[in-house]
Amino acid sequence: KQEVTQIPAALSVPEGENLVLNCSFTDSAIYNLQWFRQDPGKGLTSLLLIQSSQREQTSGRLNASLDKSSGRSTLYIAASQPGDSATYLCAVLNQAGTALIFGKGTTLSVSS
Amino acid sequence: GAVVSQHPSWVICKSGTSVKIECRSLDFQATTMFWYRQFPKQSLMLMATSNEGSKATYEQGVEKDKFLINHASLTLSTLTVTSAHPEDSSFYICSAGTGATDTQYFGPGTRLTVL
Repeated sequence: KQEVTQIPAALSVPEGENLVLNCSFTDSAIYNLQWFRQDPGKGLTSLLLIQSSQREQTSGRLNASLDKSSGRSTLYIAASQPGDSATYLCAVLNQAGTALIFGKGTTLSVSS
Repeated sequence: GAVVSQHPSWVICKSGTSVKIECRSLDFQATTMFWYRQFPKQSLMLMATSNEGSKATYEQGVEKDKFLINHASLTLSTLTVTSAHPEDSSFYICSAGTGATDTQYFGPGTRLTVL
């Protein structure tokens, strides 16, 4: 059974810092991995999607890496801003495409 | 593009009543829709997957007779929580895609509170 773990559960940083969020998964047989952002009481915004054959994806200040063999992904946020404050969710799609398994998320707080 | 809406965004109901939540893909045809439930400070848990015109596939532990899913068209799926109880209070989120392995686009969620 696929399990997705995110560390840390919560993170507080001052504005301007670079930071790394970690995601690990137990079954390396995945189709893709996605990072989402969720604001309180809101739905999900897709940030980055990495196919199983890819190693990383970048969008603006965000960079996500994938090491499928070790079951790990990291989300790197450069020059953090207060607007980055949210919960970041990692999710893996199984190879059959029948289930998207989410981690519990990392709640990020960036202070000005 | 790729916008998914949910209605209502928040609903409060009495225990024992049924509640219907709608999920619509506004600018694309969604052959596959997914329903998730999220309890406070927990991850999203997949409840069921529905393909247009066929019966939904429920995840283990999800009561299909309690959570009725209908995917009657390529732009609309509904989740009906029948005989709702306080323990059904949760945040329900749908997502839509053009195929099981294609990108899923998520709706804004519906917060259900059962008194």
